[in-house]
Amino acid sequence: AQSVTQLDSQVPVFEEAPVELRCNYSSSVSVYLFWYVQYPNQGLQLLLKYLSGSTLVESINGFEAEFNKSQTSFHLRKPSVHISDTAEYFCAVSGLNQGGKLIFGQGTELSVKP
Amino acid sequence: SQTIHQWPATLVQPVGSPLSLECTVEGTSNPNLYWYRQAAGRGLQLLFYSVGIGQISSEVPQNLSASRPQDRQFILSSKKLLLSDSGFYLCAWSGTGVHVYGYTFGSGTRLTVV
Repeated sequence: AQSVTQLDSQVPVFEEAPVELRCNYSSSVSVYLFWYVQYPNQGLQLLLKYLSGSTLVESINGFEAEFNKSQTSFHLRKPSVHISDTAEYFCAVSGLNQGGKLIFGQGTELSVKP
Repeated sequence: SQTIHQWPATLVQPVGSPLSLECTVEGTSNPNLYWYRQAAGRGLQLLFYSVGIGQISSEVPQNLSASRPQDRQFILSSKKLLLSDSGFYLCAWSGTGVHVYGYTFGSGTRLTVV
């Protein structure tokens, strides 16, 4: 079985500051990793994913995450945040050959202040 | 392109009343379908998933049930709602085979049981 821990429930930052949202996972099998973003009263949108290949993956809006197998982490980073990045962010893991089921972390609420 | 529809967007129901939430997917065939519940501050909990018509797997025992009467239709039901059934319900689909990884979510249903 897999599990995901998002270490921060809330992260307040000022606009244009860098941010890191932390995610650690545990699994007895190889994993695929995802970050989703949820704006208020909306469904979740895929932000980026790691399936194989380069351990550094990027999204179209400036976020990036790095898969670190030795530390079982998949932290999300952005060098300069905007007000519009205010949302809840979910890390998720899926185990190889586990039917594609995603296990989600508890979420991190990112609040960007002017 | 594939789309997922979920309705209603909001619902207020009295305790003891029945529930039916519907989710449909367009533009794909034989998707994997999922129902998640999101309670405030508690992340996403997988309730049910389905890999085909009439095939439902329940992840947690509860007051809810799910059905898949057609390939691209997934229904979440309850005979008698409890206060604890309140939450934000999300439907999602994923592909199969090599495309099973990563979900697309519907816009969600906010259920308040009063």
